[in-house]
Amino acid sequence: AQSVTQLGSHVSVSEGALVLLRCNYSSSVPPYLFWYVQYPNQGLQLLLKYTSAATLVKGINGFEAEFKKSETSFHLTKPSAHMSDAAEYFCAVTRTGANSKLTFGKGITLSVRP
Amino acid sequence: KAGVTQTPRYLIKTRGQQVTLSCSPISGHRSVSWYQQTPGQGLQFLFEYFSETQRNKGNFPGRFSGRQFSNSRSEMNVSTLELGDSALYLCASSLALAGGPLETQYFGPGTRLLVL
Repeated sequence: AQSVTQLGSHVSVSEGALVLLRCNYSSSVPPYLFWYVQYPNQGLQLLLKYTSAATLVKGINGFEAEFKKSETSFHLTKPSAHMSDAAEYFCAVTRTGANSKLTFGKGITLSVRP
Repeated sequence: KAGVTQTPRYLIKTRGQQVTLSCSPISGHRSVSWYQQTPGQGLQFLFEYFSETQRNKGNFPGRFSGRQFSNSRSEMNVSTLELGDSALYLCASSLALAGGPLETQYFGPGTRLLVL
């Protein structure tokens, strides 16, 4: 079975500050990991995904994440927050196979202060 | 290319009624997955359809069902609605079965269901 843990439900940063959203995973087999963003009243949009090709993954809107097997982590970062980054962020895990599905974390709400 | 579309966007029903939600995947996508999103339980997988066959199922009661048509459009049905079924129901499509890194799932805007 796979699972992801997103510590904390809310993160607040100032505009221009570093964004760090944490995600730890649990998987009995090598995982594939994703970060999605959800803006109010919208569906989920893929930010980036880890597919074992490279441990540092760059996504859209200046976000990136690093896969660290030793720490079972896949934290999302952005060097400089923008007001438009305020949204809910979900980490998700799956594995290849016919019976795989996305398992999501609880989500983290990011607020950006002017 | 048009994204995933879901209809209706908002729905109000009363307990005991049934409801049908519709999802049109991105053109060429053959896999459709459904998720339920609630404040308490977060995002939970309902089921996945590929080539008109249910390939994967989450831990939901039999009141939740779905189907997929030959054009890949999908519907999900909830019978005998309960208050706890109030949620945002999200549909996602992918080119092939969603089990794998190459098969990114693209989400629709969701249908918000309120059960009174």
